Amino acid sequence: ILNVEQSPQSLHVQEGDSTNFTCSFPSSNFYALHWYRWETAKSPEALFVMTLNGDEKKKGRISATLNTKEGYSYLYIKGSQPEDSATYLCAFYGQNFVFGPGTRLSVLP
Amino acid sequence: DTGVSQDPRHKITKRGQNVTFRCDPISEHNRLYWYRQTLGQGPEFLTYFQNEAQLEKSRLLSDRFSAERPKGSFSTLEIQRTEQGDSAMYLCASRPRTGRTEAFFGQGTRLTVV
Repeated sequence: ILNVEQSPQSLHVQEGDSTNFTCSFPSSNFYALHWYRWETAKSPEALFVMTLNGDEKKKGRISATLNTKEGYSYLYIKGSQPEDSATYLCAFYGQNFVFGPGTRLSVLP
Repeated sequence: DTGVSQDPRHKITKRGQNVTFRCDPISEHNRLYWYRQTLGQGPEFLTYFQNEAQLEKSRLLSDRFSAERPKGSFSTLEIQRTEQGDSAMYLCASRPRTGRTEAFFGQGTRLTVV
């Protein structure tokens, strides 16, 4: 059974703090690793699709790195804002999507 | 096209009743997925369609669950004889024909079985 883990489970930070989360996944049969942001009462929204070992992607204040050999990805948020409050999900795509349990981020003003 | 839409957004039903949810994917997307999400967990895969063909079903999908995508467009997920354990958010997602692209999700149907 494929296991995708995320840590921490939840996180509370002050506005302006930088933060990062971890996603760990099986290092075999890797095809892609997706990051999604899921705000309350909205649809999960894709942040990044990462496919190559060593990939680094950036969107505004959010960036992600990928290590397929050791099976982990980091998501970084620089200068957190209240609107960044959401659950951040990673999904390992081998034959199908397997999601981690998510990291719930609360940014306090 | 405004994205993936799901109907209804919320459903409360009595135990033992049947329920059906609908998903309308983005029109040019031929790949469609159903997921179930319960509190504190990530979305769990239920089933996957490519066009009208149901290519994969999770072992989570008991005999009470059935999904269809009759013309390769919208999809329905039916749960027969609902149980309290079926209470969850049911998410639908679609993806384009090819490529390592992201999935586009609907807002989900929240099912509460009382």
